[in-house]
Amino acid sequence: QKEVEQNSGPLSVPEGAIASLNCTYSDRGSQSFFWYRQYSGKSPELIMSIYSNGDKEDGRFTAQLNKASQYVSLLIRDSQPSDSATYLCAAANSGYSTLTFGKGTMLLVSP
Amino acid sequence: GAGVSQSPSNKVTEKGKDVELRCDPISGHTALYWYRQSLGQGLEFLIYFQGNSAPDKSGLPSDRFSAERTGGSVSTLTIQRTQQEDSAVYLCASTPDRVYGYTFGSGTRLTVV
Repeated sequence: QKEVEQNSGPLSVPEGAIASLNCTYSDRGSQSFFWYRQYSGKSPELIMSIYSNGDKEDGRFTAQLNKASQYVSLLIRDSQPSDSATYLCAAANSGYSTLTFGKGTMLLVSP
Repeated sequence: GAGVSQSPSNKVTEKGKDVELRCDPISGHTALYWYRQSLGQGLEFLIYFQGNSAPDKSGLPSDRFSAERTGGSVSTLTIQRTQQEDSAVYLCASTPDRVYGYTFGSGTRLTVV
């Protein structure tokens, strides 16, 4: 069974700090990975995608992928209280048709 | 439309009744997905449409659940003889083609009493 594992948290960081969110996946055939942010009571919104080993930066967000270790991470620099949300990691299946989601990590950024 | 539209936004139904949930994807998006999210749980895949066909419906939890898509656009998820364990937020998502990062609708919160 294909799985995506995340620590449920909460991960608490002070405003201005770096938040590090981690994810592992079981399907070695997965090639595409996504991070979604979900505010309480809202639907998930896509914030980052990554397809190749290494780092991908977009503003305050950096996604990291290590396919050998089957590990994906998301770094949020200069964390803001508005970043407080649940972050969902997702992996595309080998056939590129569906995403398997982790249960999410709750991030709390304190002012 | 500008985004993925789902209706109704909230639905309360009695156990044993049938319900229909509707999803109107972003115009031109060929792939459409249904997921559900129970309280404190992750997103559970239900079914995937490419055009009007459903190449993957492996996530439908029982034969009480069915879905269709017509005209390569609107999709309806039907739950027959609802049970309390069907209570969840049902999310629809669409993409231009296969998986390039879903755009989710705002969901339908289903409560079975």
